[in-house]
Amino acid sequence: GENVEQHPSTLSVQEGDSAVIKCTYSDSASNYFPWYKQELGKRPQLIIDIRSNVGEKKDQRIAVTLNKTAKHFSLHITETQPEDSAVYFCAASMGTGGFKTIFGAGTRLFVKA
Amino acid sequence: EAEVAQSPRYKITEKSQAVAFWCDPISGHATLYWYRQILGQGPELLVQFQDESVVDDSQLPKDRFSAERLKGVDSTLKIQPAELGDSAMYLCASSRSTGAATGELFFGEGSRLTVL
Repeated sequence: GENVEQHPSTLSVQEGDSAVIKCTYSDSASNYFPWYKQELGKRPQLIIDIRSNVGEKKDQRIAVTLNKTAKHFSLHITETQPEDSAVYFCAASMGTGGFKTIFGAGTRLFVKA
Repeated sequence: EAEVAQSPRYKITEKSQAVAFWCDPISGHATLYWYRQILGQGPELLVQFQDESVVDDSQLPKDRFSAERLKGVDSTLKIQPAELGDSAMYLCASSRSTGAATGELFFGEGSRLTVL
């Protein structure tokens, strides 16, 4: 089955700096790659996603890149703010049979003011 | 805005007891998922339903866990008997699977289980 690995497990940056989180997946059939943000004590919520027919997607300060050949995808957050502090999960999904979604272990991001 | 409802929010039980969690997905979402999230880890898929049918339960410990979605709407996840290692957050999520389906999962607030 699908396996998603995520690095780093913890990331600390200064406010205004950029943060990059990287994931790899194992199943070449995966075609949908969402990123979820989970604030302390809250439910995970989707912040950005990318499909396998696209190499890059951007939404304001966040962007995601996908390298299908290498089975890598990354989350980039620019101009980080204290409210970006949270746990970020990458995931991989197959667009058949109802989108079975497998998550990475998560990255705890600390943004220091 | 419609949300996934879960209950109870918190459950404390002793090992060997039975426990049950309930989930009501967003109306119209045909796909329902149960995930287990151990503190500090990512959500682990336990079971996925498409309407009332199980489409994946490969990671569900079937000797003690069971899940059902009899009418294809709300769902129940049961653990019997509970073990210390079952202490975790149990998250329910739903998604559209047809039409405007995007693959996005909508999570409930979760049910936190503590087994003593």
